[in-house]
Amino acid sequence: GAVVSQHPSWVICKSGTSVKIECRSLDFQATTMFWYRQFPKQSLMLMATSNEGSKATYEQGVEKDKFLINHASLTLSTLTVTSAHPEDSSFYICSAMGSGNTIYFGEGSWLTVV
Amino acid sequence: AQSVTQPDIHITVSEGASLELRCNYSYGATPYLFWYVQSPGQGLQLLLKYFSGDTLVQGIKGFEAEFKRSQSSFNLRKPSVHWSDAAEYFCAVGMDSNYQLIWGAGTKLIIKP
Repeated sequence: GAVVSQHPSWVICKSGTSVKIECRSLDFQATTMFWYRQFPKQSLMLMATSNEGSKATYEQGVEKDKFLINHASLTLSTLTVTSAHPEDSSFYICSAMGSGNTIYFGEGSWLTVV
Repeated sequence: AQSVTQPDIHITVSEGASLELRCNYSYGATPYLFWYVQSPGQGLQLLLKYFSGDTLVQGIKGFEAEFKRSQSSFNLRKPSVHWSDAAEYFCAVGMDSNYQLIWGAGTKLIIKP
């Protein structure tokens, strides 16, 4: 079946640094990928919709300059958290739309900013 | 504004007992409806989805869900739970063809031996 891989699964970074999370569709092409953030004891929150070859569409309240999304190919989207702060610590999940508009989720990435 | 409500933060069920997880949504038109499960240390997995047609949807792992338009609900059911069903379950609603999803807060399922 279709697989979406996220890397890294766990990352710890220092406050003020930037960290990149990759989302890859391993056996299918995904023109559309989504990035979510999950706060503790809360539901997933859609951050942005990423379309291959174009700028991402961000949800209201999500800082574009802080959460940089790049979807340079049909199998890879990246989320870069710039100048990370402890409040950015969270669980980030990507999903990719495959054939038949079926959505497949990555395993998520835990970000801890210290 | 569109919203998804899962009224139960956690539910405890004995192994072998039946299960029903509630999901209500607020949306003017007929949405696309999904149930996902997130097991510890694993990613989200789609259990089932409803787009149109038969309102009783069968999913994987013995789960089913019924779309009730009059109640704006899409409750998830399983006749007999197994210890491996312990996980967090999320109901999600898609509103348009782009399949952006609005998520419920999740219900944590605890299985008693």
